[in-house]
Amino acid sequence: AQKVTQAQTEISVVEKEDVTLDCVYETRDTTYYLFWYKQPPSGELVFLIRRNSFDEQNEISGRYSWNFQKSTSSFNFTITASQVVDSAVYFCALSEAGFRGAQKLVFGQGTRLTINP
Amino acid sequence: SQTIHQWPATLVQPVGSPLSLECTVEGTSNPNLYWYRQAAGRGLQLLFYSVGIGQISSEVPQNLSASRPQDRQFILSSKKLLLSDSGFYLCAWSQSGELFFGEGSRLTVL
Repeated sequence: AQKVTQAQTEISVVEKEDVTLDCVYETRDTTYYLFWYKQPPSGELVFLIRRNSFDEQNEISGRYSWNFQKSTSSFNFTITASQVVDSAVYFCALSEAGFRGAQKLVFGQGTRLTINP
Repeated sequence: SQTIHQWPATLVQPVGSPLSLECTVEGTSNPNLYWYRQAAGRGLQLLFYSVGIGQISSEVPQNLSASRPQDRQFILSSKKLLLSDSGFYLCAWSQSGELFFGEGSRLTVL
């Protein structure tokens, strides 16, 4: 069965610090996708990134970067120079192939990130 | 551009009452649609998904049901709510692999 583990339940840092959120996954599939979502206090899940299992290149988007390593089954997320607006719960997720291409996501338990001014 | 809306945003219902949460997607056709639930302090759990009108796949046996009467409409229902149905319900859509979520509906069953 597929599983996603976010071992860090809560992280608290001071503004401008760099912070890394860990994500470890388990799957028997050779083709799969990994996702990161941000959930601000409003509750809506904001899509951040999707990465397929054949692309191990690291991704950078502004202050956000992702490190995908199949050898350790990890897909870690780093925020550089954190800001108060980055405070949210962050979810890592793994897709399981569903009927006719449906994306059945298995989510980790989330990491609550608090950026203090 | 595509948008997704769900309502109501907040709902307080007594145990044993019915439920209907609605979700619509605009700006796309034939999307895959999903209902997820987030219980308090827990991760998200997939409840139902649909790849087309009238096609519903259930992931977790429970007190809820889903229907897709139109291409871009997805409805979550219950005939009799239980206390354990309380939670934050999120509708989502996908078409090219990326999954986008609605604003969520917070249900409290008393």
